[in-house]
Formats: sequence, C-alpha cells, structure tokens
Amino acid sequence: DTEVTQTPKHLVMGMTNKKSLKCEQHMGHRAMYWYKQKAKKPPELMFVYSYEKLSINESVPSRFSPECPNSSLLNLHLHALQPEDSALYLCASSQDRRFGGNTEAFFGQGTRLTVV
Amino acid sequence: AQRVTQPEKLLSVFKGAPVELKCNYSYSGSPELFWYVQYSRQRLQLLLRHISRESIKGFTADLNKGETSFHLKKPFAQEEDSAMYYCALRSSNYGGATNKLIFGTGTLLAVQP
Repeated sequence: DTEVTQTPKHLVMGMTNKKSLKCEQHMGHRAMYWYKQKAKKPPELMFVYSYEKLSINESVPSRFSPECPNSSLLNLHLHALQPEDSALYLCASSQDRRFGGNTEAFFGQGTRLTVV
Repeated sequence: AQRVTQPEKLLSVFKGAPVELKCNYSYSGSPELFWYVQYSRQRLQLLLRHISRESIKGFTADLNKGETSFHLKKPFAQEEDSAMYYCALRSSNYGGATNKLIFGTGTLLAVQP
C-alpha cells in the first residue's frame, strides 16, 4: 500500500466552526507533513511531524492545530478560520532521512477547504 | 537560505519537440533534489530524484552543482506530458531526520498536438 489517504475530499465550513482534516498512511513512514496549496501556487509547508512529535511549524496561525495520535495518522484541527484560509490542504509522508535510501514524499489527494 | 527557482510559469511546445524545464537552487549544503508532477485532478507525485539518476517516462534530470541547476529534459514531448511540474529541494538544516521539502513555483507544461 503506497497511498496516503485524506478525508474528507471537500469541506465547507463557517468562520465559527470547528472541523478536522484526517490523513492516514500504512507505509511505515515516520515523517508526516501538512502542506497548504492555493490555486496555481506551489505547496507551502505548514507542519512536519517526526516520530509523532512536531518537528517543524512554519509559523502557522494557531487556528490550525496539528495532531499526530500515532505513526499512521495525522490530523489538522481547524477553528475560527478566515476566508483566505480556503485552499487545498495536502498531507504527505516519507521515510526518515537518517536511514538513507528513498526519502520520496508521498502525497494524498488533498482536502479542498472552503471557508465561508 | 534555501531557495528553488523555476523561471518559466508556462512552457508551451508541440508534440515531438524537445522539452527543458529549468530549475535552479540555492543551498549551502549537499542538496537532495526532486521533480514532482501534478497532472490535472491527480495527486502530486514524484517524477525523478537526483540520487537515482533514472529516466522516468522519457524524462531525465542531471544535477549540476557548478551551475546549481537540476533541469528536467525530454527529447520528444507527448500530449500526456501536459501537467504542472515542480522542482523541489530537501534541506537538512533542521538537523533532524525529517527535512523540509521546498518547492519551486512550478512550470505548467502544455504540449500542443
């Protein structure tokens, strides 16, 4: 299984709502990532988890709250978002670079988020 | 600072013509470079990585450390090659096992029949 699965595929939420995005992989990868991608722009890194611990936070506003409950799951909790947060949110996973070999990042299909 | 530059937003060629998508990088250490492709309505996927020196779907890319470039080439473009192509660099300045994957701005390749 070389897939990263994200749910839901589409999400519309109001600015006062609380919602969560979910990501799952069963490749044994110990690094997991959240990216944000606006239309016609490259993916922009938000967070990196390594061995279920947050290792990189790219100065993301606190209305985005990541969580890694175990090595296969990654969540992104959303609260009080703004319309400008509307984007495609991508999850990715990869092998730990320390062990060398293939450190290719595998991406999910993304969750298309619209904040109204 | 680590940076990836793709100077062309759009590259339009005719079927059968050669293709070169440019990528330059700025990085003080030993870079790990990739080309990712995003076909319409499909997920971002790896096309090539410099360490494997392979050819995928007829595409090749050579890392030129002197020119800090990692251009993507294909001798004869096909219509199915039309997609968004991103050059990416994995940096190791964070010292940890999981390194930041930085993307260039992307080049949209349009292959005309």
